Amino acid sequence: GAGVSQSPSNKVTEKGKDVELRCDPISGHTALYWYRQRLGQGLEFLIYFQGNSAPDKSGLPSDRFSAERTGESVSTLTIQRTQQEDSAVYLCASSPPWTDYGYTFGSGTRLTVV
Amino acid sequence: DQQVKQNSPSLSVQEGRISILNCDYTNSMFDYFLWYKKYPAEGPTFLISISSIKDKNEDGRFTVFLNKSAKHLSLHIVPSQPGDSAVYFCAASYKEYGNKLVFGAGTILRVKS
Repeated sequence: GAGVSQSPSNKVTEKGKDVELRCDPISGHTALYWYRQRLGQGLEFLIYFQGNSAPDKSGLPSDRFSAERTGESVSTLTIQRTQQEDSAVYLCASSPPWTDYGYTFGSGTRLTVV
Repeated sequence: DQQVKQNSPSLSVQEGRISILNCDYTNSMFDYFLWYKKYPAEGPTFLISISSIKDKNEDGRFTVFLNKSAKHLSLHIVPSQPGDSAVYFCAASYKEYGNKLVFGAGTILRVKS
């Protein structure tokens, strides 16, 4: 597609339930990133995939968070046993191999845990 | 620990005037800095960047200034236009940190016509 696509755009879930967020990067972009933005805060790095290398998971806040990426395509971010503090906008971005920081962000998934 | 700080949550400027958005950082290892712009319900879009070997980078109406000794950078928009109204994020990184960026909390810019 023309841009980074994220689904769903909005998700309301009950505390304790699991959620899956999906990201379709731009075709040919080898790097894929997940960030989140909680209310009033900056974007917080979660995880980074680069080609076939092991992902950089250093930003995942707890073991309830995990992410997978199939080759150089779709990624899913899974949050198990959601808590109210997980409420945030989850942003996915991708970038081509020749650009270090030229991220293209998706529109995000707004997650609300009630 | 906030390594990148944008201390002004919001800024209001008259159309045609200069907008100056500020950003401070604490990590002296940062060697690359970027500004992103975000409209409501959209993802951030890259605006302009600067490497630590420079103190100024200009792209049309947008100029970024870097003061390494003060660990401060600023984004100047001249002249400001109503379409510039958005949230502006400052971000930073360094080579050993990989391709990850550390973002500030953002500044809401309102340009009044």
